[in-house]
Amino acid sequence: QSVLTQPPSASGTPGQRVTISCSGSSSNIGRNAVTWYQQLPGTAPKLLIYSNHQRPSGVPDRFSGSKSGTSASLAISGLQSEDEADYSCATWDDSLNGVVFGGGTKLTVL
Amino acid sequence: QVQLVQSGAEVKKPGASVKVSCKTSGYTFTDYYLHWVRQAPGQGLEWMGWIKPNTGDTNYAQKFQGWVTMSRDTSISTAYMELIRLRPDDTAVYYCARDEGYGDQAFDYWGQGTLVTVSS
Repeated sequence: QSVLTQPPSASGTPGQRVTISCSGSSSNIGRNAVTWYQQLPGTAPKLLIYSNHQRPSGVPDRFSGSKSGTSASLAISGLQSEDEADYSCATWDDSLNGVVFGGGTKLTVL
Repeated sequence: QVQLVQSGAEVKKPGASVKVSCKTSGYTFTDYYLHWVRQAPGQGLEWMGWIKPNTGDTNYAQKFQGWVTMSRDTSISTAYMELIRLRPDDTAVYYCARDEGYGDQAFDYWGQGTLVTVSS
């Protein structure tokens, strides 16, 4: 059971905009920045969004992050087939004194 | 370029221990925290802890305290994660990951992962 809650799956068609949610609590998302990772099958996670909405260099601006209260969201616009992957949110938890992850959302591009 | 290269896959029997290495290059090893994250088959990511390479200070997730040891050798820019008393449910891919250092524990570079299989 993950500390952060994500939907197990999401889907969309090419060109569409999809949103993946990440729900936490006052001890984690409510107080700390959220990070998002993309994980293609059989590969290590890749940093997608940090500090709630910042994109590392090389990440397309089709990917955007936001946070409000104890929840965060990842939005992908102009969906492409290569976006098919697992997406996980993460943040620091002050009560647990550690990093917590969501269970991951498998995105399917139909 | 920044690289984190981990040691190869391991097969262990229950009760044994495993030590995974993470050799870094392309940056100053002592300037960035290193974290360890694992992923059981078909499951999500699970944070295990971090090590501060310049001091050797560590912070382990509560679940792994007394069970995991993280260490480093600054002379060869390598970090290690040792897990003892292995159980079958410790079967997972273990990753090392560099903390980008902006204070929000975002991991900007990852090792390729080391599969540890625990089976009798």
